[in-house]
Amino acid sequence: ETGVTQSPTHLIKTRGQQVTLRCSSQSGHNTVSWYQQALGQGPQFIFQYYREEENGRGNFPPRFSGLQFPNYSSELNVNALELDDSALYLCASSLGLAGPHPNYNEQFFGPGTRLTVL
Amino acid sequence: AQTVTQSQPEMSVQEAETVTLSCTYDTSESDYYLFWYKQPPSRQMILVIRQEAYKQQNATENRFSVNFQKAAKSFSLKISDSQLGDAAMYFCAYRSAGLYYDKIIFGKGTRLHILP
Repeated sequence: ETGVTQSPTHLIKTRGQQVTLRCSSQSGHNTVSWYQQALGQGPQFIFQYYREEENGRGNFPPRFSGLQFPNYSSELNVNALELDDSALYLCASSLGLAGPHPNYNEQFFGPGTRLTVL
Repeated sequence: AQTVTQSQPEMSVQEAETVTLSCTYDTSESDYYLFWYKQPPSRQMILVIRQEAYKQQNATENRFSVNFQKAAKSFSLKISDSQLGDAAMYFCAYRSAGLYYDKIIFGKGTRLHILP
C-alpha cells in the first residue's frame, strides 16, 4: 500500500509568482485535504476535495485554488505569491466523505512541501 | 469559532519516565473529535490517539493515553515509558462531528525532548 506522497520536497519562489504543489493520495482514497503550516504554528486547513469537487474551505483567499483528478491525485495552486505564503504545505487523504458518527475517516498525511517566497 | 490551545511550547522528559502534555479547547458544539498528532523531523503528521466527545471513557493506545475532561474542555496526553523515538512536535487537534468535510483545527504544538 503506497502512502501519501507530495512533490516537490522544497521550492523557492519570488513574490508575485505562481506555484503548483502536487499530492498523490494513499491507494484507494478519494478525498484530499490541504493544510498550510507556517513556521512554529500548527497546520491550518485550506480546503478539501472529494471526487474532484471542492466540498469544504477554510479561511484562505481565492488565490489559493485546487484541483483533484480522476485518479484522486490533487494540486494546490497559489497565485500572486506573498512573503507570508512561505510555509510547509501538507496534503492528507482519506476514504469517503466525513460526516456525523459513525462516519469517521482517518486522514493520512504526506511529508509536505516546503515553500519559500523571497 | 473553535480554538485549540497548547500552553507548553516545549517539554523534556527522561527516557523511561512519564510525561503529560496539556491541551485546552473552546467550542460551543457538543459532538466532536479530539486528536493528538505527532510530527517528527520527517514532517509527516502521524495520528497518535483519537477521542470521540460522546464517549466518557478515555482513549488508550499502548503507552499513550488521554485524560478527557469535557466540562473543563481539557484534553491532555500522557506518554508512559518515554522512548527516544517519542521525540517530536505534538499537536492537539479538534474536528467537528457535524461537518461533511475534514476540517481539523490544530493547536500550536508542544516540542517534546527525550533525555537519554
